Amino acid sequence: DQQVKQNSPSLSVQEGRISILNCDYTNSMFDYFLWYKKYPAEGPTFLISISSIKDKNEDGRFTVFLNKSAKHLSLHIVPSQPGDSAVYFCAASAHDMRFGAGTRLTVKP
Amino acid sequence: KAGVTQTPRYLIKTRGQQVTLSCSPISGHRSVSWYQQTPGQGLQFLFEYFSETQRNKGNFPGRFSGRQFSNSRSEMNVSTLELGDSALYLCASSLEGTQETQYFGPGTRLLVL
Repeated sequence: DQQVKQNSPSLSVQEGRISILNCDYTNSMFDYFLWYKKYPAEGPTFLISISSIKDKNEDGRFTVFLNKSAKHLSLHIVPSQPGDSAVYFCAASAHDMRFGAGTRLTVKP
Repeated sequence: KAGVTQTPRYLIKTRGQQVTLSCSPISGHRSVSWYQQTPGQGLQFLFEYFSETQRNKGNFPGRFSGRQFSNSRSEMNVSTLELGDSALYLCASSLEGTQETQYFGPGTRLLVL
């Protein structure tokens, strides 16, 4: 069962512009949400998280937005840099953690 | 602090064989989880171990099993390998469980021929 969905398998943006990655979930019990970044031949690395009591969390160029009524999560990267090119996974947890299928972001110089 | 380590990094097996993968968590982390990553499927949760006990289990057949030792190191075993078991197997550790931020190892890439 796909409780966490990333409907865009890929996204391409120009360097310096905003990247917006989206994620939808179905389980209203999820109370903690995360984004991970994954480079080839490496494990996912934690990027940013948000708890269900907040609707926004910011860390430098990365901001995560949570819309609980829509069961929607998004990650904004501003400005995008070529080094941000990677696969991004969203994840949600209740008593265990579920991951989306990932979105491959390509930032073009 | 050293990160999560996994051995081996790459493995080639044939159908019907069994395989054991190893994971050493970050020092002080008591929860170890295993995930399978295949193209287009994202990370599928296999199971979580905490204090040597399996605490959560994903929707995988009984051929997939694991254990955790008293030093929190964990092993995952897959018996009677099938072609569809070819994947990247990731181990993640956290202080107390999968409800908090997990830290991943580099993974073991398994190819079943």
